[in-house]
Amino acid sequence: RKEVEQDPGPFNVPEGATVAFNCTYSNSASQSFFWYRQDCRKEPKLLMSVYSSGNEDGRFTAQLNRASQYISLLIRDSKLSDSATYLCVVNGNAGNMLTFGGGTRLMVKP
Amino acid sequence: SAVISQKPSRDICQRGTSLTIQCQVDSQVTMMFWYRQQPGQSLTLIATANQGSEATYESGFVIDKFPISRPNLTFSTLTVSNMSPEDSSIYLCSVLLGTEAFFGQGTRLTVV
Repeated sequence: RKEVEQDPGPFNVPEGATVAFNCTYSNSASQSFFWYRQDCRKEPKLLMSVYSSGNEDGRFTAQLNRASQYISLLIRDSKLSDSATYLCVVNGNAGNMLTFGGGTRLMVKP
Repeated sequence: SAVISQKPSRDICQRGTSLTIQCQVDSQVTMMFWYRQQPGQSLTLIATANQGSEATYESGFVIDKFPISRPNLTFSTLTVSNMSPEDSSIYLCSVLLGTEAFFGQGTRLTVV
């Protein structure tokens, strides 16, 4: 079993739609959780951190369920510019090591 | 934030040769990380480079194949040695500031 698992997609949605991604992690001792965005042929960049109390930033909402060991990302009112791969990232208990999920590809169409 | 300059951005290399990738960070950092990202896949950590000590390699990666230098707190190199087509991939360096990871622009390597 992979340490961090994501549905690879692609998720094809129309502009304005709401889309949600889930991610599961295997290490129950994981401390920190993040969503990164990676555009085609670019490096990953931090989208948002995921806190136990949930985190909202504009159209983006991230939530953490420690009991079930999953993380979610909700995107409302999708824009064409949201098309990218979204990486679920977990920081375990081994110092600063980050573990990346395989990524979920989102394509927003007009 | 951190700005990382990584080069080369891409290269096409003959099998059996070696390529050295460089990363320069605009601030001093204790650890630098080297990742590999194969097409359509996520990032796999190759090794962690600390200044003044040998790099720590992850399972499946060895120093003879991926020697790393870390001469100071702002610079690191990764060499891909004796390349084969299976080494074709994107290689990324990264640093952590707090809990946020910053990446170089990546090196797209094709081995023919």
